[in-house]
Amino acid sequence: IAGITQAPTSQILAAGRRMTLRCTQDMRHNAMYWYRQDLGLGLRLIHYSNTAGTTGKGEVPDGYSVSRANTDDFPLTLASAVPSQTSVYFCASSRTSGGPDTQYFGPGTRLTVL
Amino acid sequence: GQNIDQPTEMTATEGAIVQINCTYQTSGFNGLFWYQQHAGEAPTFLSYNVLDGLEEKGRFSSFLSRSKGYSYLLLKELQMKDSASYLCAVRDSGYALNFGKGTSLLVTP
Repeated sequence: IAGITQAPTSQILAAGRRMTLRCTQDMRHNAMYWYRQDLGLGLRLIHYSNTAGTTGKGEVPDGYSVSRANTDDFPLTLASAVPSQTSVYFCASSRTSGGPDTQYFGPGTRLTVL
Repeated sequence: GQNIDQPTEMTATEGAIVQINCTYQTSGFNGLFWYQQHAGEAPTFLSYNVLDGLEEKGRFSSFLSRSKGYSYLLLKELQMKDSASYLCAVRDSGYALNFGKGTSLLVTP
C-alpha cells in the first residue's frame, strides 16, 4: 500500500509557465487537501476537497486551482507561476474532513519558480 | 480568525523531558492535533485531543484544556531522533486544520 504519493519530487519552473502537481492516494479517503509550507509561516491551506466532485478554497487560494474528478486524485495547477509560489507543497488526505480523522501527508513537492 | 502560538525553538538534552506548549484562539473547536516533522520530510501524526485531559502514547503525551485554549506535548526520555519540528494544529468548526508555525526541537547529547 503506497498511501499518498506526489509527483514530481522537485521542479524548477520559469515564471509564467503552467504547472500541475499531482497527488494520488489509495486509502479511499473522502477528503483531500493541498498545503504550502514556507519558512517562518508554517503550513497554509490552499484548497481542499471534502469528497469527489467538490472543492473549496483555503487560506491562500489565489493563483492555484484544483479538481477532484475521482476519489484518488487531487491535482493542483498553477496557471501562470510566479516567484512567490516558490515553496514546498504537501498533499494530504483523511477519511472524512471532520472529527478525529487524521490527515496523512504525502512526501511533498519542492517547487522553485525563477 | 485563527491564532495558534507555539515557541519557535527549544533545546533539550538526551534523556530529559521537554514540554512544548501551544495556545490557540479559533472560531469553534473540533479537536487539536500534534504532528512531528523531520527536516525535509512530511508531517506525521502524533496525537489527537478533543476532551480536556492527558492522552498518553508511549514516550509522548498530549494535554488539552479547552477553557484555557491551551495544549502541550510532553516528550519523555528524549532521544536524538526526536530532533524535529513539532506542529500544533486545531480543527475549528469547519473542515480543515489550522496549523501553528511549529516548534523546532534540538536534542543535544
